[in-house]
Amino acid sequence: KNEVEQSPQNLTAQEGEFITINCSYSVGISALHWLQQHPGGGIVSLFMLSSGKKKHGRLIATINIQEKHSSLHITASHPRDSAVYICAVGPTGNQFYFGTGTSLTVIP
Amino acid sequence: DGGITQSPKYLFRKEGQNVTLSCEQNLNHDAMYWYRQDPGQGLRLIYYSQIVNDFQKGDIAEGYSVSREKKESFPLTVTSAQKNPTAFYLCASSRGSNQPQHFGDGTRLSIL
Repeated sequence: KNEVEQSPQNLTAQEGEFITINCSYSVGISALHWLQQHPGGGIVSLFMLSSGKKKHGRLIATINIQEKHSSLHITASHPRDSAVYICAVGPTGNQFYFGTGTSLTVIP
Repeated sequence: DGGITQSPKYLFRKEGQNVTLSCEQNLNHDAMYWYRQDPGQGLRLIYYSQIVNDFQKGDIAEGYSVSREKKESFPLTVTSAQKNPTAFYLCASSRGSNQPQHFGDGTRLSIL
């Protein structure tokens, strides 16, 4: 069993739709990260959070520590949001556990 | 601009050969990491280094070796002992524990 589970694995949306990607984890953590991987392979860190909610532009990340669950929301989705979104948790030290990613395609 | 540079972007290796992947950062980060990504799987940690001249094995270190002689550089050698080396390799760095990691653009290694 993976320490980090993401859903859905694949997601196709029409431009403008509200998108939610979910992440559940089974280990104790000190922080949860949302990452974005573009088709070329490069990864960008979107959020690091340990409680509550963070917002950056059209992206919102929330975490519920008691339920061991986090969500990434994208409002007014755009084709340039098409990417793989990866949830990662950092239990201790430098050890991270990664989800398998959610592949998002936004159609114009 | 600061960042992480991985080279080359694509690498081909003959069976039985060792090959070294380069990772350089100019972010002045203490910690550096190597991950392997396979289709349908999450990133898996190969090695990490928290400080110069020190590194630790990750989950899948067998068949790999690293060095950390300079703060800026953390090269990964894929040895002939690695039975299934074809994968996408990502290098990352961070200021320290549980800090956001900055990733390079990756190196795709294939076996001829």
